[in-house]
Formats: sequence, structure tokens, C-alpha cells
Amino acid sequence: GAGVSQSPRYKVAKRGQDVALRCDPISGHVSLFWYQQALGQGPEFLTYFQNEAQLDKSGLPSDRFFAERPEGSVSTLKIQRTQQEDSAVYLCASSFLAGRDYEQYFGPGTRLTVT
Amino acid sequence: AQTVTQSQPEMSVQEAETVTLSCTYDTSENNYYLFWYKQPPSRQMILVIRQEAYKQQNATENRFSVNFQKAAKSFSLKISDSQLGDTAMYFCAFMKALYSGAGSYQLTFGKGTKLSVIP
Repeated sequence: GAGVSQSPRYKVAKRGQDVALRCDPISGHVSLFWYQQALGQGPEFLTYFQNEAQLDKSGLPSDRFFAERPEGSVSTLKIQRTQQEDSAVYLCASSFLAGRDYEQYFGPGTRLTVT
Repeated sequence: AQTVTQSQPEMSVQEAETVTLSCTYDTSENNYYLFWYKQPPSRQMILVIRQEAYKQQNATENRFSVNFQKAAKSFSLKISDSQLGDTAMYFCAFMKALYSGAGSYQLTFGKGTKLSVIP
């Protein structure tokens, strides 16, 4: 169906607020990734889901970051008590990850600005 | 752990000319995939071209081709007949091959090269 979608596209949060970022992957894609892209940098891996299982969360920068995908489709990345260093674009990508179908398809990202 | 290095932060090319973007990587994996992604200003990341490490033949996609040198761990992107729409950030990325053992399949990106095509 449609591509990967993310919402909101832009989010401004005051330092200390909690935020929730949503990702709708391509229908049927079992694998879902979150990346953080700081200004002028390449994306950096945060966490990986296969269906509803979070198989790798080694990239989450602190315990303020939490991700879930309870039904193996939509995923939410939550950041508690936001800090200025959390300002970045958060990218979601999904993939089928089988055979020759291993390409990751990216969403447009959520630009988070913490003031 | 894998690392990806793009040593050219910015490049420019005249419209219709050819440009080559450089990428080197470091890994202990024998099987893996390499990618070039394009990120236009304020638009989302899209795949330009991919290469499977076990294939010796260099990948091509229309005006885009790669020079993959496995022993040297080099993976450069050549854009021929550059067009204004090629203006974007270009990221080189690495992913370990499917079913190649422990670890997940995240992409490891370089810092990117900002390409400007000049009319």
C-alpha cells in the first residue's frame, strides 16, 4: 500500500515534557527500525522490532527513550523528560527482510525541537 | 562493529557532467550489503542503488553506478549526466547480510556528502 508515514511531522517540546512519535509502516512489513538524525549528520540506529518483539534496543541513548510495537504494526517512540540534546529528526523505516527483499523504506521523519 | 566513512562533506558538479562520491567502510563481516541513499532537502530518504558483497559485478541503475572494491573496502557512487534534481545529501550505508548470525539488521550510515548540481 502506501509508504511509511510518521506523525507528527514537527514537534516542539519544552524541556522536561514527554513526547510520543508515531510510525505507520508499510503493510506486511515485519521489521521496523527507528533512527535518530542530528542536524548535518547521518542517521543513527536506535531500536529494531520484528513483529511485536523488540529484538535490539542497543542504540537508545538513555532510559528516557522507550519504543513499543504492541500489535506488530504501528510503533511509538516515547521520550520522557525531553532534553535539548534530544532535538533531532526521528526516522522510522520498515522492511520485509526476507530473501532479496531487504530494502528499508523510510518515512518522512518527525523533527523534534526541544526548547 | 561497522563504520562507514564519507570523506567529502560537500561537492558540486555542473549539470550534465559526471561526479563520483567516495565511501569507505570497515567490517569483519564477509557477507553484507552496501547502499547509497539520497535525501533531498526537506524530503525523505530514498534508495539510489544497492550492492551485495558476494557479487563481483558492480551495480548500475540508469545514470547511477558504483565501483565496489571489496578488498579495499571501498564503495563509490558515480552519477552520470547530472541533473538539477540530483541535488541532495547522499549517504553511504552498510547492513550485514540476512541470516549471517547474531545481531540485528540496522543500517550503519556515513555522515553524508552534500551534492549541489549547478545549472
